[in-house]
Amino acid sequence: NAGVTQTPKFQVLKTGQSMTLQCAQDMNHEYMSWYRQDPGMGLRLIHYSVGAGITDQGEVPNGYNVSRSTTEDFPLRLLSAAPSQTSVYFCASSYTGTSGSGQETQYFGPGTRLLVL
Amino acid sequence: GENVEQHPSTLSVQEGDSAVIKCTYSDSASNYFPWYKQELGKRPQLIIDIRSNVGEKKDQRIAVTLNKTAKHFSLHITETQPEDSAVYFCAASGGLTGGGNKLTFGTGTQLKVEL
Repeated sequence: NAGVTQTPKFQVLKTGQSMTLQCAQDMNHEYMSWYRQDPGMGLRLIHYSVGAGITDQGEVPNGYNVSRSTTEDFPLRLLSAAPSQTSVYFCASSYTGTSGSGQETQYFGPGTRLLVL
Repeated sequence: GENVEQHPSTLSVQEGDSAVIKCTYSDSASNYFPWYKQELGKRPQLIIDIRSNVGEKKDQRIAVTLNKTAKHFSLHITETQPEDSAVYFCAASGGLTGGGNKLTFGTGTQLKVEL
């Protein structure tokens, strides 16, 4: 299994440009999520999905869109990039087992480093 | 929503000493508490986790304790080695406002193990 994969690894955008960060997993996980990581602020949840066709907002959703058309893929879209979106973006996935089942473990992708000028 | 606080933000220890990182959470319904290690430029990786029906869990040099009454949990690393140097994150999920898998992370602890 490749696990959780993300592309691209690094991207430079100009303010106002749009782009899509790709995330895929081959573990048949129902739950997928996007985090951004900024210095001193830990990992903050942007959007998440509990299955194909179902998405919801996390802690910092403004400026980002997501969709989940398949179990495997969960792309993150920036419609009009801003310098405040300069960050490292991580995608993660897990099963949605009941609490205590041991299925909550979330696996992270390698990250995408985004620089918005 | 859930709020997770983590202390200290930086921790420097001598090789062989123990290191302790503490976290508190706000949602008493949270029931899953993982710890992640992140090396520079790498992805976070799970090192240990604990569920609310357990008070302590140990895996070789790493242990985690949970006090549900006080709503805090701690990571203990014994006999630290240079390769333990990394950023460590605590997290919590399963609370009333989070549900299931939605993790709330602490802000991280930069651990440096000095020779």
